[in-house]
Amino acid sequence: RKEVEQDPGPFNVPEGATVAFNCTYSNSASQSFFWYRQDCRKEPKLLMSVYSSGNEDGRFTAQLNRASQYISLLIRDSKLSDSATYLCVVNGGYGGSQGNLIFGKGTKLSVKP
Amino acid sequence: SQTIHQWPATLVQPVGSPLSLECTVEGTSNPNLYWYRQAAGRGLQLLFYSVGIGQISSEVPQNLSASRPQDRQFILSSKKLLLSDSGFYLCAWSVGSFNEQFFGPGTRLTVL
Repeated sequence: RKEVEQDPGPFNVPEGATVAFNCTYSNSASQSFFWYRQDCRKEPKLLMSVYSSGNEDGRFTAQLNRASQYISLLIRDSKLSDSATYLCVVNGGYGGSQGNLIFGKGTKLSVKP
Repeated sequence: SQTIHQWPATLVQPVGSPLSLECTVEGTSNPNLYWYRQAAGRGLQLLFYSVGIGQISSEVPQNLSASRPQDRQFILSSKKLLLSDSGFYLCAWSVGSFNEQFFGPGTRLTVL
């Protein structure tokens, strides 16, 4: 059973394009949702939290659909510097570890000039 | 502001040798601390987490161990490394559970 599932990509897009990633999670009791960004051979860095009402941060928009148990990330006006792997993250342990985060394997984005 | 340190940045060790990786956090008190491993081309695997000094929970059976001798110090150890222990080891902290985690720069371990 895959607790957090993402399309591994790669998504190859030109600069200026709009790209969307989806992620599904298996634990309906999950409460915390995040997107992280990981550059090659670097640590993951928090991109944004995902709220039920959806949230936007500049060119990035995150949406949560609890009924369908999926999370999306939309990137508008892609920049070369957006090239990275995007990790979908959900809390989803059981029992005493419910608060622990589970990381998807990531979706690789490559923005081309 | 909070910062998290890990060392060393890279490490090459022979099979059967011991391991000690250290992680320290500054600028916060009583953080939750985590050790993850990321094998090449794979996702992050939670190895250990700690909600306080001396409190360690293990997520997967393995030949690694963790200790938290001080509030902001987390140590990952092994008595005898295996080839399969190679990977990118990441320490992270959070304020309580359910919240976002912040990662250190990681240690890239190669076991030969």
